[in-house]
Amino acid sequence: AQSVTQPDIHITVSEGASLELRCNYSYGATPYLFWYVQSPGQGLQLLLKYFSGDTLVQGIKGFEAEFKRSQSSFNLRKPSVHWSDAAEYFCAVPTGTASKLTFGTGTRLQVTL
Amino acid sequence: DTEVTQTPKHLVMGMTNKKSLKCEQHMGHRAMYWYKQKAKKPPELMFVYSYEKLSINESVPSRFSPECPNSSLLNLHLHALQPEDSALYLCASSQAIVLNRDSRASNYGYTFGSGTRLTVV
Repeated sequence: AQSVTQPDIHITVSEGASLELRCNYSYGATPYLFWYVQSPGQGLQLLLKYFSGDTLVQGIKGFEAEFKRSQSSFNLRKPSVHWSDAAEYFCAVPTGTASKLTFGTGTRLQVTL
Repeated sequence: DTEVTQTPKHLVMGMTNKKSLKCEQHMGHRAMYWYKQKAKKPPELMFVYSYEKLSINESVPSRFSPECPNSSLLNLHLHALQPEDSALYLCASSQAIVLNRDSRASNYGYTFGSGTRLTVV
């Protein structure tokens, strides 16, 4: 079954520094992959998604992600982090007939000023 | 309208109460979902409705009863809950339940509501 793993539970970066959040997937074929962000007490907001084609995907809020089949990864990046980016980030993959969105365990991002 | 609206935002209920959570979308999505999220955990799927029919129940206790009155509305009826049911309940919708690798896939995605924070006392 398709699954995603987020190795980092908690990451702290300084404002203005670059960011990379890791996501590894387990699936034989090319998966559909999503990144969501969740601010405290809020719902989930879609940052970006990958289906096929160009492996570098641009999202909202200045985020991008790169699909690397050789590494089974779909890491999220941002060149310069803002304090408002502090949140929980989830990588996700549809499973089965895409009726179930399965999430990674999440990475909590803390931004220091 | 590209939103999923959930009401109420906060709910406190006793273990003998009956309450309902509501979810509404007007994006023409034909698949709707209930997820449960405990603190510091990822969301976990509870139910899936496809074309107003229940297609997946992830072994959820019967004290949670979903209902999909029409293609825009999704309810979750609560009765005799336990304190451990306290959580954030998220509703989501999507265009279709089956992904196809065609031009429509570029529009595929799940839209989540902001959730209902439920506290059972």
